[in-house]
Amino acid sequence: NAGVTQTPKFQVLKTGQSMTLQCAQDMNHEYMSWYRQDPGMGLRLIHYSVGAGITDQGEVPNGYNVSRSTTEDFPLRLLSAAPSQTSVYFCASSYRGADYNEQFFGPGTRLTVL
Amino acid sequence: AQSVTQPDIHITVSEGASLELRCNYSYGATPYLFWYVQSPGQGLQLLLKYFSGDTLVQGIKGFEAEFKRSQSSFNLRKPSVHWSDAAEYFCAVGATGYSTLTFGKGTMLLVSP
Repeated sequence: NAGVTQTPKFQVLKTGQSMTLQCAQDMNHEYMSWYRQDPGMGLRLIHYSVGAGITDQGEVPNGYNVSRSTTEDFPLRLLSAAPSQTSVYFCASSYRGADYNEQFFGPGTRLTVL
Repeated sequence: AQSVTQPDIHITVSEGASLELRCNYSYGATPYLFWYVQSPGQGLQLLLKYFSGDTLVQGIKGFEAEFKRSQSSFNLRKPSVHWSDAAEYFCAVGATGYSTLTFGKGTMLLVSP
């Protein structure tokens, strides 16, 4: 199992550009999430999904879009990048069922918006 | 909604000394509690977790944490710190029925020789 994979590892964008951060998992997890990490702020939830075709907003969703067409993939789209979106982005996944399940994190994508 | 407070932004500990990192949470029901560690430029590594049962949980790398419901705390401890423990530590809470985590803002641990 590759676990949770994220691409790219690093990305530099100019203000106004668009891009998609990729996240994939091969553990057949129903739940997937996107977090951003900023210095002094910890990790904050952007969007999450409880299954294919179902997504919802987290704490900081503005400027980001998501969709979940398959169980394996959960891409995060920046339609018009802004310097405030400079951050490290982590994708996570977990099983559905029971009361709570441990989340598995990807290695992260470091994004710089100039 | 749940929340997590890590009161200490930075902590400096001498190598070989004991360590305690504080974490307080706010959640109306029984929480699911986690400690993660992150070395510079790296991803998150799970140190330990509390779901239920024994309130003293053991984790990797010699860390332990104690869940105290009366104090809404989940402090992380290590009896003897090594220079390789220098990193940022995050406490997190997960709520029943949800698939996401709420993180604290982190505590940066510095280890002095």
